[in-house]
Amino acid sequence: GAGVSQTPSNKVTEKGKYVELRCDPISGHTALYWYRQSLGQGPEFLIYFQGTGAADDSGLPNDRFFAVRPEGSVSTLKIQRTERGDSAVYLCASSLAGGPYEQFFGPGTRLTVL
Amino acid sequence: DQQVKQNSPSLSVQEGRISILNCDYTNSMFDYFLWYKKYPAEGPTFLISISSIKDKNEDGRFTVFLNKSAKHLSLHIVPSQPGDSAVYFCAANGGSNYKLTFGKGTLLTVNP
Repeated sequence: GAGVSQTPSNKVTEKGKYVELRCDPISGHTALYWYRQSLGQGPEFLIYFQGTGAADDSGLPNDRFFAVRPEGSVSTLKIQRTERGDSAVYLCASSLAGGPYEQFFGPGTRLTVL
Repeated sequence: DQQVKQNSPSLSVQEGRISILNCDYTNSMFDYFLWYKKYPAEGPTFLISISSIKDKNEDGRFTVFLNKSAKHLSLHIVPSQPGDSAVYFCAANGGSNYKLTFGKGTLLTVNP
C-alpha cells in the first residue's frame, strides 16, 4: 500500500512569508507526528495528533508554528512569518495508534527560508 | 541536554564483516527503542525495535541488544553489505504520547 506522502518536496520562501506543509499518512493510522531535522542532527519532535486532536504540541518552537488535522487524516503544518532559522527538513510520520509501535516516515519537505 | 547519544558520527567496515552501532540514553523513563536507517533525500526507514522487557531482538541480519543497567543499546549487522551504507539513527520513547527522541545518527559505510 501507499506510504506516508508529503508535499511539496521542496519549498523555498522569503523571510517573513507564510508556508504550509502537507502530510498524507498511511490509511488507517490514527497517530500522526511532525518532526524537524536540521543539518547534522536527528529528527526533533514537534507535535503529535491522535485522531483530530493535538495530543502533545510541546515541541513546537513558538507560536509562529501551528498544525491541524481536521478530519483525522491529512495534516497541515503552518509556519507564519518565516525566519531563516526555520530552514530544515520537516518530516511527518504515522503509526497505527498512539502506542509503542514503529512510526513510518514520509520523505520530508525541505524548507529553505532566504 | 541530549537524552539519546550516538557518540560515533561515522563507521567504516568491510563487506561481509560485522557492523556494530552504539547508542546511549539518559532518560530512565524510556521503555521502547528503535533503529532507523536513512538514505539521502529520503525519510527514515524503520529497521528493528526492542522493548525494555527484552535484552535482545533479532531480525535477519540485524540484531539489537539492550543493556538497561548501562542505559546502552547496540545494533549489529552481520554480514554487512554495501547496500547497508546509510545514516543509522537510534530512537527512544516512553510515556503516553510515544514521541520519539532521536540521536544524531551514525554514518555507516560498507566498503566492497
